[in-house]
Amino acid sequence: GQNIDQPTEMTATEGAIVQINCTYQTSGFNGLFWYQQHAGEAPTFLSYNVLDGLEEKGRFSSFLSRSKGYSYLLLKELQMKDSASYLCAVRDDSNDYKLSFGAGTTVTVRA
Amino acid sequence: NAGVTQTPKFRVLKTGQSMTLLCAQDMNHEYMYWYRQDPGMGLRLIHYSVGEGTTAKGEVPDGYNVSRLKKQNFLLGLESAAPSQTSVYFCASSLSSGGLQETQYFGPGTRLLVL
Repeated sequence: GQNIDQPTEMTATEGAIVQINCTYQTSGFNGLFWYQQHAGEAPTFLSYNVLDGLEEKGRFSSFLSRSKGYSYLLLKELQMKDSASYLCAVRDDSNDYKLSFGAGTTVTVRA
Repeated sequence: NAGVTQTPKFRVLKTGQSMTLLCAQDMNHEYMYWYRQDPGMGLRLIHYSVGEGTTAKGEVPDGYNVSRLKKQNFLLGLESAAPSQTSVYFCASSLSSGGLQETQYFGPGTRLLVL
């Protein structure tokens, strides 16, 4: 599999901003996905980056630097419902099955 | 549209028993996947299919078999269950490969406990 690193846990206050970093090592990078997974539920798609730069979707933004093998997911104006695990997944064309997932970052939002 | 559905939702097996997990999607997706999710290890791909009648091995295929006889269904079989196969199993599907078409849509999961 791929070497994909994310912090295990993060805690933040309601209304604040949290940045979840993801670093990866791959020989055939061709895109990066972020998924959200609430406890006991299925992962759901949040964002996709294939070119360097920032993609913004409402309160969520995702950034990619291909030269640094680095991405982050930015969650703004945190709400209690944002408490979940956030999964970074990398598409690698040198890999037969293409998409590899990180272990996920559990974000806890406190009142 | 129901999206991706999985049956059963929960199952308890004894070591050595067999079972089949069923995944169905109504989005006319070409690609389907089976993952297992264990604490601290993230999602790991077991097997996948790029179209009806095709299957391929993923990262952790040992102990599992799959079949894709119909485009909308992807079956995962455990021939002789082992305690190491205790996990949450997720099925997913995607329209095709490449770019946003590779966005995967997940089923609700099957929790399997092997005693």
